[in-house]
Amino acid sequence: QQPVQSPQAVILREGEDAVINCSSSKALYSVHWYRQKHGEAPVFLMILLKGGEQKGHDKISASFNEKKQQSSLYLTASQLSYSGTYFCGTVGPYGNKLVFGAGTILRVKS
Amino acid sequence: DTAVSQTPKYLVTQMGNDKSIKCEQNLGHDTMYWYKQDSKKFLKIMFSYNNKELIINETVPNRFSPKSPDKAHLNLHINSLELGDSAVYFCASSQRQGAWSYEQYFGPGTRLTVT
Repeated sequence: QQPVQSPQAVILREGEDAVINCSSSKALYSVHWYRQKHGEAPVFLMILLKGGEQKGHDKISASFNEKKQQSSLYLTASQLSYSGTYFCGTVGPYGNKLVFGAGTILRVKS
Repeated sequence: DTAVSQTPKYLVTQMGNDKSIKCEQNLGHDTMYWYKQDSKKFLKIMFSYNNKELIINETVPNRFSPKSPDKAHLNLHINSLELGDSAVYFCASSQRQGAWSYEQYFGPGTRLTVT
């Protein structure tokens, strides 16, 4: 079942922060985050495995609450290069495939 | 050095034709995938192969037939193309089978337009 992402779209000015949420109605084993720029392939950002971990890379971090079956992606001090569509992908406990959400369009303006 | 490559990048064809898309990865990965991204950007898995063996076959019309001659290559053949097949098709690979813990590397995509 497809995870639900919110918001559908967000516009920021450089330096502002954003949070993108991903939730599932089913138990999750892992959550993946990808970014896709217009006309390009999705690019891997990070994986969060069950255990409620939080990961970070530079100014992009994410959390995973397995009890709530939710994950959030945090973008701080946004840069123009952050613009794109962010997808979360989820894998259930017995799943062998990644099911992607509908995506969140992020646009950073100068 | 492209990690995952696809050919062609663009494919324009008429309804009823048969076409193929080729994918190659030079990462030494065991698992390869085909995804379809429609006009609304919805990204959905179609097939997955692990070491040339089909492991995921979603509810895809049997006009779509994947073939993996070796673990570095995964091709997609589509028979009797329909308007609804128009989409961007992405090939991807991951180190091992087990989607839960391995990142996937995507190819540049093939934009298929059926007229």
